[in-house]
Amino acid sequence: EVQLVESGGGLEQPGGSLRLSCAISGFIFSSHGMSWVRQAPGKGLEWISYISPSGSTIYYADSVKGRFTISRDNARNSVSLQMNSLRAEDTAVYYCARRVPYYNYMDVWGRGTTVTVSS
Amino acid sequence: QSALTQPASVSGSPGLSITISCTGTSSDVGGYNYVSWYQQRPGTAPKLMIYDVSNRPSGVSNRFSGSKSGNTASLTISGLQAEDEADYYCNSFTSSNTWVFGGGTKLTVL
Repeated sequence: EVQLVESGGGLEQPGGSLRLSCAISGFIFSSHGMSWVRQAPGKGLEWISYISPSGSTIYYADSVKGRFTISRDNARNSVSLQMNSLRAEDTAVYYCARRVPYYNYMDVWGRGTTVTVSS
Repeated sequence: QSALTQPASVSGSPGLSITISCTGTSSDVGGYNYVSWYQQRPGTAPKLMIYDVSNRPSGVSNRFSGSKSGNTASLTISGLQAEDEADYYCNSFTSSNTWVFGGGTKLTVL
């Protein structure tokens, strides 16, 4: 069964850091690009970052550029999101999602992990 | 990276049809046939309903269909059922090699 399981969320103070992880199983991880998408409470979805299958190509939304870093470990079947200089507006459920090879959509999503930034 | 524009809410009676619009620009919706649609029920992860404007993944009801004209994409749900009540989001690939979502539309089945 294809599964994406996020972890690492929690409560952090403004200016602090958190590292999210997404564990993958049930498919050949190294063949797929991966994205992180977040959803603030009561708000819509926001795409925030993408990493290619090899890790050589990375993109960020302007809202997180310079503060968040995406990475992946194909040997451990995991993708991570290092979040620094956290702000209250980063409070959200964070989802990892799989990109279909050679297509431009995300077909499988994890259940999400909740990040709360508050003093 | 402005969000795509969707109506905040739509409603329809069981058995009838509704259409949700998604308006972007020539740098996203209008520039590529890479529009996808997601259904999200409360407390759950988004579920892919349509990809590449009008294609349905395996397992998605043929009551769901997608189309595009210019900078506006549309999702149509025919034969509305109570289980269709959810939030719906459009998504497009962009000329910046990023993705952008619409603001979401809450579908109420009357």
